[in-house]
Amino acid sequence: AQSVTQPDIHITVSEGASLELRCNYSYGATPYLFWYVQSPGQGLQLLLKYFSGDTLVQGIKGFEAEFKRSQSSFNLRKPSVHWSDAAEYFCAVGANSWGKLQFGAGTQVVVTP
Amino acid sequence: GAGVSQSPSNKVTEKGKDVELRCDPISGHTALYWYRQSLGQGLEFLIYFQGNSAPDKSGLPSDRFSAERTGGSVSTLTIQRTQQEDSAVYLCASSQDLYNSPLHFGNGTRLTVT
Repeated sequence: AQSVTQPDIHITVSEGASLELRCNYSYGATPYLFWYVQSPGQGLQLLLKYFSGDTLVQGIKGFEAEFKRSQSSFNLRKPSVHWSDAAEYFCAVGANSWGKLQFGAGTQVVVTP
Repeated sequence: GAGVSQSPSNKVTEKGKDVELRCDPISGHTALYWYRQSLGQGLEFLIYFQGNSAPDKSGLPSDRFSAERTGGSVSTLTIQRTQQEDSAVYLCASSQDLYNSPLHFGNGTRLTVT
């Protein structure tokens, strides 16, 4: 059965510092991989996706993620966080479509001044 | 343009009562999904619609849960005889089609069963 693990429930980072959120998946083939962000009072927003090709993908808001097949990982990174990046981040996996996804439990990011 | 709209935004109900949650997708979106987000957990897939058909109901937790979609637009998720473990945020999302379009999520309905 496929699964998605986000090992960090909560991360605190200083504004301007770099951020890396971990995501590991278990799946028989290369799945569709996604990162979503949920800001307070707002719906989930797609940050980026990986289907195939270049393993380093760029997304919105200055985020990027790298697919590493050997490690079954799809970690999200941002070189310099802004206070507005405080939110909950979800990694998700899909078998063959955008829509029926399995989500990780999420990582809550707190940004300090 | 308008996004995915869900109503009510909050619902408090007594254990044993039935509830209906509504989702208005983005106009023209053929695919519609329901997810559940419980406290401290990720999103859990419940059901999706392609048009008015629900090819995959595998995520519905029990036979107390049902959903329908009419006119290829509005969808209603019904929970009968609610239990406390049904308390969660129910999220709806829509997309232009099943395989090539991103999901657009609504803000959800927070259901509290007392």
